[in-house]
Amino acid sequence: AQTVTQSQPEMSVQEAETVTLSCTYDTSESDYYLFWYKQPPSRQMILVIRQEAYKQQNATENRFSVNFQKAAKSFSLKISDSQLGDAAMYFCAYGPNFGNEKLTFGTGTRLTIIP
Amino acid sequence: NAGVTQTPKFQVLKTGQSMTLQCAQDMNHNSMYWYRQDPGMGLRLIYYSASEGTTDKGEVPNGYNVSRLNKREFSLRLESAAPSQTSVYFCASTRGGARSNQPQHFGDGTRLSIL
Repeated sequence: AQTVTQSQPEMSVQEAETVTLSCTYDTSESDYYLFWYKQPPSRQMILVIRQEAYKQQNATENRFSVNFQKAAKSFSLKISDSQLGDAAMYFCAYGPNFGNEKLTFGTGTRLTIIP
Repeated sequence: NAGVTQTPKFQVLKTGQSMTLQCAQDMNHNSMYWYRQDPGMGLRLIYYSASEGTTDKGEVPNGYNVSRLNKREFSLRLESAAPSQTSVYFCASTRGGARSNQPQHFGDGTRLSIL
């Protein structure tokens, strides 16, 4: 079974600074997708970014980018120019690209933005 | 633009009571999911429905039943609630089949407490 590990239960960053959230995963598959979801205090889960494993180029969405290291099975999220609205729980998720296999989520990292 | 709507948002039950959590999506998505979220454990899949008329067990199905009433609606039922089912429940949907490469759209969650 696949596992997703987020080793940082909590992180904090000064407003306007850059922060990196870590995620590692374990799989024997070569074709899969990785996701970062954000859960603000409102509780709703919001997709932040998605990475396809067969693409070497790291995904980017505005201030959010990933560092995808396939050999190391690492998928970190970098948030640049942190804003107060970035404060949330961040979940990393893995999904194999075949059949009806489902997403496996990490345990989350709580990000605090310091004004 | 409602997306995924869950009702109720909060509920308190006594041990042994039954209740149904409702979920509806207006995005014409094929697949729908029920998760539970517990502190320190991320999201765990309870049941999913790859398409109208089909349902399958996820990681933690015991104590729950589901119904895919139509393409829009996917309900989760607790027949005899237990304190271990105290959790936050999320419904999600995806456009395509139950493929994990599809970004999931989440509802706002239902906070359920079993006394």
